Amino acid sequence: DGGITQSPKYLFRKEGQNVTLSCEQNLNHDAMYWYRQDPGQGLRLIYYSQIVNDFQKGDIAEGYSVSREKKESFPLTVTSAQKNPTAFYLCASSLQDRGLNEQFFGPGTRLTVL
Amino acid sequence: AQTVTQSQPEMSVQEAETVTLSCTYDTSESDYYLFWYKQPPSRQMILVIRQEAYKQQNATENRFSVNFQKAAKSFSLKISDSQLGDAAMYFCAYRSWKETSGSRLTFGEGTQLTVNP
Repeated sequence: DGGITQSPKYLFRKEGQNVTLSCEQNLNHDAMYWYRQDPGQGLRLIYYSQIVNDFQKGDIAEGYSVSREKKESFPLTVTSAQKNPTAFYLCASSLQDRGLNEQFFGPGTRLTVL
Repeated sequence: AQTVTQSQPEMSVQEAETVTLSCTYDTSESDYYLFWYKQPPSRQMILVIRQEAYKQQNATENRFSVNFQKAAKSFSLKISDSQLGDAAMYFCAYRSWKETSGSRLTFGEGTQLTVNP
């Protein structure tokens, strides 16, 4: 089955520690995205990548970092510089060409910083 | 930058009735794409319906349809014959036609829909 996997589903970390969230897709999509979801604020774009070895900052990139070494993988690191990292994180992917292509989403990772 | 506004944080509907969720957006572009996504309690995001701005005809998908008013920058979602499984958070999203924007989406704040039996 084609799809997007995110791991782990729940993640707990101590304040001041860096943590990496995994995102893998087997849909052969060029573009991948990371969103943060907080109550009452919808989804906000953290980073996105349109092609391997290239990525762009989204609207709330401060305190986060990403890499795109493989087409299938787009890990997100939440660094200690992120002031309020507790949130639900969603990864998505899509075709890169123009048109009505939808973004497909993973099941999400709930990060709690203690 | 584009913005998307959903003015109804919560809505409720009786099973089998019809409900309309509102969405407005702000853009200076003449061509773009609009989407409605559904997020049930499982938190899995699911595409409900999509619309191209240059098409005047409103999109429909079974019980789901949109009322797209380009001049008013409005993109409301109508759910007919509501079912218990329609209970979810609904997000309106905008995507630019510009290649420099990639395929990134701008989301509204969401509307939590409750379906009462």
